[in-house]
Amino acid sequence: NAGVTQTPKFRVLKTGQSMTLLCAQDMNHEYMYWYRQDPGMGLRLIHYSVGEGTTAKGEVPDGYNVSRLKKQNFLLGLESAAPSQTSVYFCASSYVGGDTGELFFGEGSRLTVL
Amino acid sequence: GENVEQHPSTLSVQEGDSAVIKCTYSDSASNYFPWYKQELGKGPQLIIDIRSNVGEKKDQRIAVTLNKTAKHFSLHITETQPEDSAVYFCAAGRGGGATNKLIFGTGTLLAVQP
Repeated sequence: NAGVTQTPKFRVLKTGQSMTLLCAQDMNHEYMYWYRQDPGMGLRLIHYSVGEGTTAKGEVPDGYNVSRLKKQNFLLGLESAAPSQTSVYFCASSYVGGDTGELFFGEGSRLTVL
Repeated sequence: GENVEQHPSTLSVQEGDSAVIKCTYSDSASNYFPWYKQELGKGPQLIIDIRSNVGEKKDQRIAVTLNKTAKHFSLHITETQPEDSAVYFCAAGRGGGATNKLIFGTGTLLAVQP
């Protein structure tokens, strides 16, 4: 089983450029999440979705947008990248809410903004 | 706001020794406490979790203890092996589907020396 797949795995952007990270899950999970991981700061929730067509803000949503047009996909967009958005981004999905049951993570996407 | 403090940030043990990682949470409504293991270049993976109605849970060489009065919980790994080397994250959640309320600790890098 593929589980949670993120693309691309690596990307380098210049300040002001835009990009989209794609997350796909094949477990028929309702819940999907985007986290960022920075040294010494653990995992911080950017946006999440509780079902197709729904999105909500997490802890650090500024500078990011998301869309969940299909149940299996969750897209994270950066409209105008900034160096502060240099990070490793993880997508996750779950059968029940992440504060109740297991999160299944992708392998991460490393983004560098110059 | 709610937070989860995790200590130590790095831990080095000899193969066969025990390792203990401690976390303290601030939200007294938290009732779900998972632990995730992140190997190099991979996404985090759930290794064990505990809910507030129990004080201890074991799974082979790993165990988690919870003290709700003191608002802290710990991960115990016995008979450590080189493959236990990874970053470990604790987290605390309220449950009940509040999916933005799973708060992660800052992580512990465990190195098991052969």
